[in-house]
Amino acid sequence: KAGVTQTPRYLIKTRGQQVTLSCSPISGHRSVSWYQQTPGQGLQFLFEYFSETQRNKGNFPGRFSGRQFSNSRSEMNVSTLELGDSALYLCASSFEQPKTSGRGNIQYFGAGTRLSVL
Amino acid sequence: KNQVEQSPQSLIILEGKNCTLQCNYTVSPFSNLRWYKQDTGRGPVSLTIMTFSENTKSNGRYTATLDADTKQSSLHITASQLSDSASYICVVSGATSGTYKYIFGTGTRLKVLA
Repeated sequence: KAGVTQTPRYLIKTRGQQVTLSCSPISGHRSVSWYQQTPGQGLQFLFEYFSETQRNKGNFPGRFSGRQFSNSRSEMNVSTLELGDSALYLCASSFEQPKTSGRGNIQYFGAGTRLSVL
Repeated sequence: KNQVEQSPQSLIILEGKNCTLQCNYTVSPFSNLRWYKQDTGRGPVSLTIMTFSENTKSNGRYTATLDADTKQSSLHITASQLSDSASYICVVSGATSGTYKYIFGTGTRLKVLA
């Protein structure tokens, strides 16, 4: 069974540009979450999708957006890139819909897309 | 303020030795606490998930403990192996009015030497 696939693995952009990252979840998984990881801030939650609907959102500006398609694949878009957006962007998938209590779902992470903004 | 603090920031041990990593949190309300292992260049891998009522959870040589009263968790690694060299991340989740939040610690970087 293939794991979570993120493309591209590496990306270099300049300030002001926009970027779209892609995530293909594990087959059968319907929930996809996105995270930003930087050396200074560590991992931070961006948003979570289930059945093409955004179910949860972290504290990021509106320049960060995402969507999920009917096949559960997800894309994340960052517009008007800033130097501080340089980070590893991780996608995780899980089988069940997001829970708001208890154990929650086991998430399986992809290897990430490393974005460098120059 | 919701925070998760991990200690130590980094740790070096010899192969075969045991070690314990700490995680203190102030996240409220609390739903669950997770420990992840992240190898360099890879995404995190889930080790354990514990809810409020669970105080110990094991996964092979990894044992996590949770004290919900003092808001502390630890991850104990027994008989360390070279492959345990990685970053270990503590994540606390909580839900308010149907909105879920994930608060991550900055991790402990473990290096196991032969």
